Amino acid sequence: DAGVTQSPTHLIKTRGQQVTLRCSPKSGHDTVSWYQQALGQGPQFIFQYYEEEERQRGNFPDRFSGHQFPNYSSELNVNALLLGDSALYLCASSLEWGDQETQYFGPGTRLLVL
Amino acid sequence: QQQVKQSPQSLIVQKGGISIINCAYENTAFDYFPWYQQFPGKGPALLIAIRPDVSEKKEGRFTISFNKSAKQFSLHIMDSQPGDSATYFCAASKAAGNKLTFGGGTRVLVKP
Repeated sequence: DAGVTQSPTHLIKTRGQQVTLRCSPKSGHDTVSWYQQALGQGPQFIFQYYEEEERQRGNFPDRFSGHQFPNYSSELNVNALLLGDSALYLCASSLEWGDQETQYFGPGTRLLVL
Repeated sequence: QQQVKQSPQSLIVQKGGISIINCAYENTAFDYFPWYQQFPGKGPALLIAIRPDVSEKKEGRFTISFNKSAKQFSLHIMDSQPGDSATYFCAASKAAGNKLTFGGGTRVLVKP
């Protein structure tokens, strides 16, 4: 049973650039959430996608946007990168019905903005 | 506004000892309280979770204690092993949606 996968594993960008991160949910899951984890801190919720629509959003600026595809995979886009965007970006998947609250995390994408 | 406060920030315990991590929350709408374990370079892995209708849940060496009136919950790791050395995060979410609000994390080091 494939777990949550994310790509790429590491990424280096410069300020002002744009980045796209990708996530494939755990088999059978239909909901994808994205989190940002700064070094030494707990993950912070960015947004959640269900049925290809953004359902919830955390306290992140519009530079952060996402998309969910019909196969439930998802992308996180960040525009106009800032140094403070350097973090581990985590994708988590869950099932809308059943054990709704349990989220399973991927290994993350480590983004470094120079 | 930090809705879930976690303590201590770090913990050193001898092999075979008990590790205790505490969390306090503010939002009474929270209805689901998981604990995650994270190793360096990895994503958080679900360890154990509890809902407020029970006061304690045990799975192997891991036990969650929950005090609804005090809005506090804790993780006890019994017979701690060097392989338990990791960062532990408490979290909370509302039943209606599953956006997780995390604590700041506790780095646990188990000395052999």
